[in-house]
Amino acid sequence: AQSVAQPEDQVNVAEGNPLTVKCTYSVSGNPYLFWYVQYPNRGLQFLLKYITGDNLVKGSYGFEAEFNKSQTSFHLKKPSALVSDSALYFCAVRDGAAGNKLTFGGGTRVLVKP
Amino acid sequence: EAGVAQSPRYKIIEKRQSVAFWCNPISGHATLYWYQQILGQGPKLLIQFQNNGVVDDSQLPKDRFSAERLKGVDSTLKIQPAKLEDSAVYLCASSLYPQGPNTGELFFGEGSRLTVL
Repeated sequence: AQSVAQPEDQVNVAEGNPLTVKCTYSVSGNPYLFWYVQYPNRGLQFLLKYITGDNLVKGSYGFEAEFNKSQTSFHLKKPSALVSDSALYFCAVRDGAAGNKLTFGGGTRVLVKP
Repeated sequence: EAGVAQSPRYKIIEKRQSVAFWCNPISGHATLYWYQQILGQGPKLLIQFQNNGVVDDSQLPKDRFSAERLKGVDSTLKIQPAKLEDSAVYLCASSLYPQGPNTGELFFGEGSRLTVL
């Protein structure tokens, strides 16, 4: 069975500082990995994905994520956080060997303080 | 391009009553999903449609939940009778990719928040 873990319920960071949101995964086959962001009272928005190729993927709003196969991780990063980045972030995984089901982590709340 | 439309945005009902949610996906998206998001948790897949056929409904509580996607476009999710633990946001999503590695790039609606009293 596939699963995703986001070990931090909340991450606090000062504006202008680097932001990292952690994610680890477990799948049987090749992992397809995704990050989504959810602003208050809104649906989830796709940020970026890793399918294959370069381990560093770039996405929307200046976010990037690094795929690390040996550590089974896919951490989300942003070099300089903005107050407007405050939101709920979800990591998700799809097992390439197990159909199209997408499994989400429990989410990490990011609070960027001015 | 219009996004995924959902209604109603908010609904409050008493336990044992029924409720229905409606979703209109992005035009041309063959795959449609219903997710349940309980406060403080990640979204959980309830049902996935490919056109008007069900691909995965393994986590749908079939004794009280039902969903249909007639004509492969709009979809409705019904709960009857509702329980207190059904209080959640019900998210509809659609995808352009019916299969392959890009499945997982979903477009979500704003959700329907259900409160069961």
